[in-house]
Amino acid sequence: GAVVSQHPSWVICKSGTSVKIECRSLDFQATTMFWYRQFPKQSLMLMATSNEGSKATYEQGVEKDKFLINHASLTLSTLTVTSAHPEDSSFYICSARDWGLPLNEQFFGPGTRLTVL
Amino acid sequence: AQTVTQSQPEMSVQEAETVTLSCTYDTSESDYYLFWYKQPPSRQMILVIRQEAYKQQNATENRFSVNFQKAAKSFSLKISDSQLGDAAMYFCAYRSAESGGGADGLTFGKGTHLIIQP
Repeated sequence: GAVVSQHPSWVICKSGTSVKIECRSLDFQATTMFWYRQFPKQSLMLMATSNEGSKATYEQGVEKDKFLINHASLTLSTLTVTSAHPEDSSFYICSARDWGLPLNEQFFGPGTRLTVL
Repeated sequence: AQTVTQSQPEMSVQEAETVTLSCTYDTSESDYYLFWYKQPPSRQMILVIRQEAYKQQNATENRFSVNFQKAAKSFSLKISDSQLGDAAMYFCAYRSAESGGGADGLTFGKGTHLIIQP
């Protein structure tokens, strides 16, 4: 099956710094990628939809200037958490859609745990 | 907006027994997809089973089957012959099939923690 990777898997940063998380589709081209956020023992919440070569579409309540998304190629989308604060600590998961598969199935990355001190 | 409700925060079943996880959803759309995902402690999301709303036949994948009741907006997951490896969080998810433009991420329920007792 299709493989999606995320880097880093775990990052600790100081409050006020910016952190970049990468999401890569390793064996297929993903024109669409999604970013989710998961708080401990909670569900996944869709943050934004990333389309290659265009601006991301953010869900209501998600700050565009805080969570910068760039989808510069068919295999890479990045999420940058700018001026991170402790409340941004969470588990961030990306998924990539393979339009070549039935139902345009999404494949999930392994997630990135962000801890802001 | 669509909502997905999982009313069972936790379920426990004896190994080799059968367990059913409940999921209801609310939508005004007629065309959509429903999914069950498994999230083990590694937190990697794993697709368990999918259902296309326009198909009346319930989906089945080996020991996993669903009971899809479109009129009732219900989508339960039955796990037969439960195994220790089935222990995980299970999330029910909805995806629109009508947007077409790719802006159709998944809407998840809050999850059910499934415990398998040996």
